[in-house]
Amino acid sequence: QKEVEQNSGPLSVPEGAIASLNCTYSDRGSQSFFWYRQYSGKSPELIMFIYSNGDKEDGRFTAQLNKASQYVSLLIRDSQPSDSATYLCAVAPSNFGNEKLTFGTGTRLTIIP
Amino acid sequence: DAGVTQSPTHLIKTRGQQVTLRCSPKSGHDTVSWYQQALGQGPQFIFQYYEEEERQRGNFPDRFSGHQFPNYSSELNVNALLLGDSALYLCASSSLTGQGASNYGYTFGSGTRLTVV
Repeated sequence: QKEVEQNSGPLSVPEGAIASLNCTYSDRGSQSFFWYRQYSGKSPELIMFIYSNGDKEDGRFTAQLNKASQYVSLLIRDSQPSDSATYLCAVAPSNFGNEKLTFGTGTRLTIIP
Repeated sequence: DAGVTQSPTHLIKTRGQQVTLRCSPKSGHDTVSWYQQALGQGPQFIFQYYEEEERQRGNFPDRFSGHQFPNYSSELNVNALLLGDSALYLCASSSLTGQGASNYGYTFGSGTRLTVV
């Protein structure tokens, strides 16, 4: 079993709709969870982080965490073509996530105009 | 405010050669981590440096080594290159001593694309 699992996609969503990205992790000791966006040929860019159960909203993005189910998700509302990218889920053993991050393989998201 | 800078951006090496990649962290960051990202995969943790010491190491062979300098910049060295070492090498900086939300997670550099032929 992989430590961090994501559906590799591609996930196609019409412009203006909600994109839902999912991630599960195997280490119950994981404390913080991150979503990075990576455009083709570029480096990852931090979008959201969450470390408490529940929802965390930042603009069009909402991260959801359920530690009991070892599940974290990212919702993107009002999807825009510029949201087309690979989304990487990462988990960390500490609350700050500035130690070792374990990444999933990423979900490729395509927003259809 | 300069972000994380990496050099070179691209590199082509022959099997068996050695390579050195360089990274300067974001201003205010004291920790440098190195990741390897193969095509179609997520980044894989190589190691992390703090206070000029290797603090954590991932599952990579001893051919991969590093160094951190007093100004927090870092080098990644790979010896006896294999074809499988071809990847995007990412440097990420963070702060282990800072406070506040700005210290959550990493700031990644733009990466060095290494091709081994």
